[in-house]
Amino acid sequence: ELKVEQNPLFLSMQEGKNYTIYCNYSTTSDRLYWYRQDPGKSLESLFVLLSNGAVKQEGRLMASLDTKARLSTLHITAAVHDLSATYFCAGNAGGTSYGKLTFGQGTILTVHP
Amino acid sequence: DGGITQSPKYLFRKEGQNVTLSCEQNLNHDAMYWYRQDPGQGLRLIYYSQIVNDFQKGDIAEGYSVSREKKESFPLTVTSAQKNPTAFYLCASGTYGYTFGSGTRLTVV
Repeated sequence: ELKVEQNPLFLSMQEGKNYTIYCNYSTTSDRLYWYRQDPGKSLESLFVLLSNGAVKQEGRLMASLDTKARLSTLHITAAVHDLSATYFCAGNAGGTSYGKLTFGQGTILTVHP
Repeated sequence: DGGITQSPKYLFRKEGQNVTLSCEQNLNHDAMYWYRQDPGQGLRLIYYSQIVNDFQKGDIAEGYSVSREKKESFPLTVTSAQKNPTAFYLCASGTYGYTFGSGTRLTVV
């Protein structure tokens, strides 16, 4: 059974600083996903990482995947207030469970002036 | 525009009452899912369906029921057996990554 763990669960950052959210998963995952959730809202897809060494960037966010270490990271560069949200990673165990995602607990990011 | 629609946005349930949450998609996705989110928590899978007329229990199916009579629709019924139904319910569709609906916030009154 796939388990997904994120850390930290709470992250308070100053604007302009850099930080990384870590996502560890327990068994082989076909793909690794990152989502963003604003308070009271639904989830918005950020990145899909398909293979070892994959790196994707969008604005101040960059996601990477190391399948050998079973680790994905979401790096935030020069944080701004608009990035304040909860970030989830999710994995897909594949096989007969294809399509069924297991989510991490979420990281609540707050960016302060 | 293709998308996934959940209704209602807010729902109030009295004790002992069954309520049904609607989820409709026009993305031509085979797979659909229902998740529950409690305040400050992650998402927990209630039920999922990979094809019409078939569905499987997720991690917290007790007190819930679903049907999948049409590809586009995957309604969730919260029964009176669910003792703590107050939560945010999210419907999603897709096989390689999800598209989420906007959610239904259910409160017991």
